Amino acid sequence: NAGVTQTPKFQVLKTGQSMTLQCAQDMNHEYMSWYRQDPGMGLRLIHYSVGAGITDQGEVPNGYNVSRSTTEDFPLRLLSAAPSQTSVYFCASTPTGLAGVVPSGANVLTFGAGSRLTVL
Amino acid sequence: AQSVTQLGSHVSVSEGALVLLRCNYSSSVPPYLFWYVQYPNQGLQLLLKYTSAATLVKGINGFEAEFKKSETSFHLTKPSAHMSDAAEYFCAVTYNQGGKLIFGQGTELSVKP
Repeated sequence: NAGVTQTPKFQVLKTGQSMTLQCAQDMNHEYMSWYRQDPGMGLRLIHYSVGAGITDQGEVPNGYNVSRSTTEDFPLRLLSAAPSQTSVYFCASTPTGLAGVVPSGANVLTFGAGSRLTVL
Repeated sequence: AQSVTQLGSHVSVSEGALVLLRCNYSSSVPPYLFWYVQYPNQGLQLLLKYTSAATLVKGINGFEAEFKKSETSFHLTKPSAHMSDAAEYFCAVTYNQGGKLIFGQGTELSVKP
């Protein structure tokens, strides 16, 4: 089925370890984003991309890196994991027109199922 | 700064009762507003969206929301709760066409038999 695929679903890391959360979509969506979900704080935007080769920071970018070499993939990298990064991470995508412009303004994000990360 | 506030982190209703989940936004320009639902251990799904057409928006599963500019609100309602409505609900807002959604804190809805 078409959609947003996140791997892994669960991961346990030790402080200081690095890892990459993978996100892939097969809907040819230009816009992709990463959110983290923490109790009582809703979803907060980490990084986003409006097309291949273009990324930008969201609300809480510190400690995370992203790249967008293809339209389909948008990996999220933790270079040195910290306990504060224990969270559930969601990748989401939506189509756009020209890079950064959504024709209708009615962005409907398609979300992945989430990746639950625990940093000890 | 752009923001959205959901009043009440937990709401509990009896099956068959009215569901009312509150959302207020801050904006000096017309917003685009959304309600998303998250069932346990799943990602978020769109319930409904407001994009400056009709102020009363109907969504899936019998939910609807009314945009009230004077109150800067976009409350979500359903006349009769069902057990399957138990989930977490998020209000979200964007103010331009750049795709950056801002989410509220979420409201967890419990439905009692």
